[in-house]
This record gives sequence, C-alpha cells and structure tokens, in this order.
Amino acid sequence: SFELSQPPSVSVSPGQTANITCSADNLGRKNVCWYQQKSGQSPVLVIFQDTRRPSGIPERFSGSNSGNTATLTISETQAIDEADYFCQGWDATTEAFGGGTKLTVL
Amino acid sequence: QVQLVESGGGLVKPGGSLRVSCAASGFIISDFYMTWVRQGPGKGLECISYMSNTGNTIHYIDSVKGRFTISRDNAKNSLYLEMNSLRVEDTAVYYCARGSSGPARWYYGMDVWGQGTTVTVAS
Repeated sequence: SFELSQPPSVSVSPGQTANITCSADNLGRKNVCWYQQKSGQSPVLVIFQDTRRPSGIPERFSGSNSGNTATLTISETQAIDEADYFCQGWDATTEAFGGGTKLTVL
Repeated sequence: QVQLVESGGGLVKPGGSLRVSCAASGFIISDFYMTWVRQGPGKGLECISYMSNTGNTIHYIDSVKGRFTISRDNAKNSLYLEMNSLRVEDTAVYYCARGSSGPARWYYGMDVWGQGTTVTVAS
C-alpha cells in the first residue's frame, strides 16, 4: 500500500490559478484521478488518467503527474470552485486516496 | 439517466449488522467495476470494497475484511454491502460509485456516484 499527501488547504483569489498537489514516492508511475466535493454533496470526478477531463468539466481544470507529484491546476478560479479536492492514485495492485485539500476562493 | 441511489443506512449498535443497497439506472452494473467508498465525519474518502464487472475479482481493505461482504443482484441491477460486527469507527457516509468497464478498474476514474447513505454505529 502507499499513502498520498495533500496540503490541508489552499487559498486563491478569484481569477487566479490554483495548484493543488498530491505526493507519494514514484507517483508518476501510477494513475491519478482527482475528485471535487462541494459541501454536503457527493464527489465529482474532474480528472482521470492524470490529465484527462470527463465531459462537462470546464477546461479550466487540468492535471499533471510526474516524479513524485501530481498536480491539479484550476485556471481563472471562480467562487464556484470552492470545494474539497481529493486525489486518488492507483495501479494494478494498490490504490489510495489523499487526505483532501480545502480550496478557498477569497 | 445514469444514476446511483443508495439506501439502507441508519443507527446501529456496536456489534450489530446492516445492509446498504445501491440501485443503478441508465446503465448495467455488471458491465462495470463497482465500488463502495466511505467518508467518516469530517474525514477523507476510503475505497473499502470493489467488485469487478465479471464478478471474479472482489477486494476489501483490511479493516473490513471478514466483516463486510459486497454482492450484486443483476436482475435488480443493484449493488449491496452487508456489514457485520460493526464498530464505532465504521460510522460514515457510504457511497457507491461506478468504475471502468474492463480490466483496469479505475481507468476512467469513478465517474458516477450516488448521494450516499449514512451509517452511524453508536450505543
């Protein structure tokens, strides 16, 4: 098994870029997904296969994964993006969720 | 409309049992990996069990192994989680979620989630 580390919180001003990281040894060798969870709601998939967006997810959301760190980038952040974000790393034999990052749009 | 609807949560005493259900519509669950994910109060997500599309692969995390059983009824297009010997630490919102159709279980991520059902274990 492995553990994924995320910063507990990230703050960003409206219109700016938010970067949320997810770290583990050799995470770049695993597949990473990202989920957005707004208060009181179920999680929503925003990135899969490290970089791909499901249909309906705005282009403002992008992902990368290399080395020990995967990053979710939200460009031109809006108030509606305020939520908890969870990374999920997995491979053929194991998987884990990160502890989540609370994104605050100030 | 692709949808998952959980039910069956409630308050149960430590050591008790509960079965939660997940009814799918708009797709056939036996075509996909299906999983149960729980979220404790104020905590993160935890994938506790999943079943492959073929039903041949079933996985549990160590903390529920031997106590929880995942199953499905293809005729009802529903997924179930039978929970026995419940502990206070099992208190959580339980979500069912859809994985991928194929050998790589989360290849397309968990793209459909239910609204969750709350299980509270307390005396």
